[in-house]
Amino acid sequence: GAVVSQHPSRVICKSGTSVKIECRSLDFQATTMFWYRQFPKQSLMLMATSNEGSKATYEQGVEKDKFLINHASLTLSTLTVTSAHPEDSSFYICSAPGQGYNSPLHFGNGTRLTVT
Amino acid sequence: GENVEQHPSTLSVQEGDSAVIKCTYSDSASNYFPWYKQELGKGPQLIIDIRSNVGEKKDQRIAVTLNKTAKHFSLHITETQPEDSAVYFCAANSPSGGYNKLIFGAGTRLAVHP
Repeated sequence: GAVVSQHPSRVICKSGTSVKIECRSLDFQATTMFWYRQFPKQSLMLMATSNEGSKATYEQGVEKDKFLINHASLTLSTLTVTSAHPEDSSFYICSAPGQGYNSPLHFGNGTRLTVT
Repeated sequence: GENVEQHPSTLSVQEGDSAVIKCTYSDSASNYFPWYKQELGKGPQLIIDIRSNVGEKKDQRIAVTLNKTAKHFSLHITETQPEDSAVYFCAANSPSGGYNKLIFGAGTRLAVHP
């Protein structure tokens, strides 16, 4: 089955630094990936759609200069949280549709970011 | 845009009982409705999905029903087991964003007691 791998699973960084999170489709290619953010005991909020070879599409209210997305290849998308602040602490999850028409969305295991 | 509401927020059942979670959506153009199970500290896992051309789908102890007219869909888990305990999310696709751009409900925390 389609596997989405996310790295790192946990990261702690100091306020003002930047953090990069990787999302890989292990056994399939993904021209599109999605990045979600989830606060404790809350739902998943779509942040942006990552498009291979072109710019990401951000949801309303998401700062594109703060959350940099790069989809450099058909199997890798990265999310960089720039100049992180404590309020950026959250669970970030990526997802990708599997191969084939109308394939379901598969999620990675998420990255727990803590900004101190 | 699409909005998905989910109820209840918490659900507690005894092992062997059934559990039902209900969701409503706002955009009548939505045509894909998956359900995900999320365990603590992990990403969501797809457990079942249904498309708008079908009214019901079943997979062993799990079933989903869809009422397009009323714009609501439900997850039914029969013969619940302790390992079913998790947070369950319903979702609907955002028609303007394609099939896989999903909008999630708020989630239901299911606890199955032995």
